[in-house]
Amino acid sequence: QLVLTQSPSASASLGTSVKLTCTLSSGHYNYAIAWHQQQPEKGPRYLMKLTSDGTHSKGDGIPDRFSGSSSGTERYLTISSLQSEDEADYYCQTWGTGTRVFGGGTKLTVL
Amino acid sequence: EVQLLESGGGLVQRGGSLRLSCAASGFTFNSYGMNWVRQAPGKGLEWVSRMSGRGDRTDYADSVKGRLTVSRDTSKNTLYLQMSSLRGEDTAVYYCAKEGEDGYFDSWGQGTLVTVSS
Repeated sequence: QLVLTQSPSASASLGTSVKLTCTLSSGHYNYAIAWHQQQPEKGPRYLMKLTSDGTHSKGDGIPDRFSGSSSGTERYLTISSLQSEDEADYYCQTWGTGTRVFGGGTKLTVL
Repeated sequence: EVQLLESGGGLVQRGGSLRLSCAASGFTFNSYGMNWVRQAPGKGLEWVSRMSGRGDRTDYADSVKGRLTVSRDTSKNTLYLQMSSLRGEDTAVYYCAKEGEDGYFDSWGQGTLVTVSS
C-alpha cells in the first residue's frame, strides 16, 4: 500500500535552515512526490515535484530558498534562510494508478 | 495563468445532497487530470476523487465511493463533485486541484466549505 509518513511538527529559528522529511512506504523507493505549502488560513500552494534521483522542478515564483533532495524512500524539503512567512504546514503528495496520496503534514514553527 | 475557482459549498443536512463546481481557466482543460481534495477542520489534506484529462477514467477514495461522483463539462471548463448521502465526516473545505504532466498537483483553488449538520 502506498503511504507517505511525515513528522507532525518541526521548528527552527529565523534565518537558519530546516530539512523536512517525507518517507515512502516500503517498496516504493522509485516514486516521485510533490511538496505543498499551506500557510495559516490559506489554501495549499504547490512548491515542487521531486523525483527519486533528487531532481526537482519548482512551481512559479517559488524562491531559491526552497530545495528538494532524495535518498532511498526518503524525500526531503530544505528551506534555507527561514523567514516568518515560512511558518506553515507542509504536505508531501504522491500518486499511483487510481489513487493520489498525501502525507499527514508537518507543522513548521519559525522561532 | 491557471485559475481554479470553486463554488457551491454551504450548509446541508445529514443525508442531503450538494453539488460543487470548479471553474478552470488558463490551460487546456481536457489535457490534464483534475482532482477534488478535502480538509476537515484542523486536519490534513485528504484526496477525494479525480477525473483523467481525457475524461475516460474516474477514481475515488474508499471513504466516498458510492456517495460522491465527479464529472465535468468541457464546454464550460468546469469540474463538478456531486455529493449525496452526506455525513458529518464530510464536513470540510473542498479544494479543486489540477495535475501536472503526471500525478502531482501543480495548481490549487481557494476552496469551498461544506458543513453537514445533524
